[in-house]
Amino acid sequence: DQQVKQNSPSLSVQEGRISILNCDYTNSMFDYFLWYKKYPAEGPTFLISISSIKDKNEDGRFTVFLNKSAKHLSLHIVPSQPGDSAVYFCAASVGNYGQNFVFGPGTRLSVLP
Amino acid sequence: KAGVTQTPRYLIKTRGQQVTLSCSPISGHRSVSWYQQTPGQGLQFLFEYFSETQRNKGNFPGRFSGRQFSNSRSEMNVSTLELGDSALYLCASSLMGGGETQYFGPGTRLLVL
Repeated sequence: DQQVKQNSPSLSVQEGRISILNCDYTNSMFDYFLWYKKYPAEGPTFLISISSIKDKNEDGRFTVFLNKSAKHLSLHIVPSQPGDSAVYFCAASVGNYGQNFVFGPGTRLSVLP
Repeated sequence: KAGVTQTPRYLIKTRGQQVTLSCSPISGHRSVSWYQQTPGQGLQFLFEYFSETQRNKGNFPGRFSGRQFSNSRSEMNVSTLELGDSALYLCASSLMGGGETQYFGPGTRLLVL
């Protein structure tokens, strides 16, 4: 059973509009979450993180929201740009020493010019 | 700083053969993790090495093994290859592991025929 789910395999958004990527998790012990972006033929690159003591973290055009009671987080990209077209992975970890991340299956975002 | 490097980038093998993949982490990083990515799946954790010791292991069969050297470089070995082992194998490094952000290499794409 997947502990980290991204139920939308793909998403298309018009340039300049908001992109919202969703992620749900089942393990209530997860207390640290990240989003990675992956272009074809490249490894994932870190985008933004949030710990469970916060409900929002912002970095430029990227904002991550965490709803612990719903075990849900989302990544907002505003405004979306064509260069944002990539696969986005949500990852979660239990912040214990030595514990590793569990990744979702990814959502392919296409930003249309 | 140079990023995480992985060699080779592409590999074609036949069933029953074995393969060794190599990963050089970012200088100063002591934790190296390996992931498998297959179409339709998220990144699945294989194992993590820290200071030459396997610290965590995912749910993969014993055909998948690894090691880490004193300079933190890591190798991953897959014996008796199966068709289902065809995947992108990603290596990620971080300073100490745990809940830290991981920096990924470009991956090795393995095709088993």
